[in-house]
Amino acid sequence: AQKVTQAQTEISVVEKEDVTLDCVYETRDTTYYLFWYKQPPSGELVFLIRRNSFDEQNEISGRYSWNFQKSTSSFNFTITASQVVDSAVYFCALSEAYSGTYKYIFGTGTRLKVLA
Amino acid sequence: EPEVTQTPSHQVTQMGQEVILRCVPISNHLYFYWYRQILGQKVEFLVSFYNNEISEKSEIFDDQFSVERPDGSNFTLKIRSTKLEDSAMYFCASSEAGRLETQYFGPGTRLLVL
Repeated sequence: AQKVTQAQTEISVVEKEDVTLDCVYETRDTTYYLFWYKQPPSGELVFLIRRNSFDEQNEISGRYSWNFQKSTSSFNFTITASQVVDSAVYFCALSEAYSGTYKYIFGTGTRLKVLA
Repeated sequence: EPEVTQTPSHQVTQMGQEVILRCVPISNHLYFYWYRQILGQKVEFLVSFYNNEISEKSEIFDDQFSVERPDGSNFTLKIRSTKLEDSAMYFCASSEAGRLETQYFGPGTRLLVL
């Protein structure tokens, strides 16, 4: 069955520290997509990245980087030199081709607090 | 850049009342979705809609919920008789044909049932 696990409920770091948010997924499909979203206190979902199951290249975007490892079914997200503005809830999500509608399955989220 | 819009941004209603949440998907998108997020919890899929019919729905989407595309631009979620536990953020999303894996989310409607 499809499932996304974000075992870290809450993480607190001091500004400028690096932090990694973990995401482990389960899927029955060979074609799937993984996402990370940021949800600030205002509540909207801010898209960060999409990765398909055939592309295991890691990606870096500014202070953000993502490590996708199919062997361990993980898609972890690292923020380098964290800033107070990074404080938010971060969600990992999975979408499968098996589900004809590609509905998103979200993890329970990790609340990141970056302290000044 | 085109975006999904939702109205109202906040709605307060009394238990038992009907509410309609409105969404305007991106204009060339054909697939539409509703998700729900109870405060402090994860985002959950409710329903997907294509070609004027529901293509998939979750267990949460029971008989008190309905969706409709009343015209060429709006997509609505109706809750017939609201319950306290319907209090949540409701997100609308849309995707285009051939790129279903990428859904564009609206900003959400925060519903509070008293």
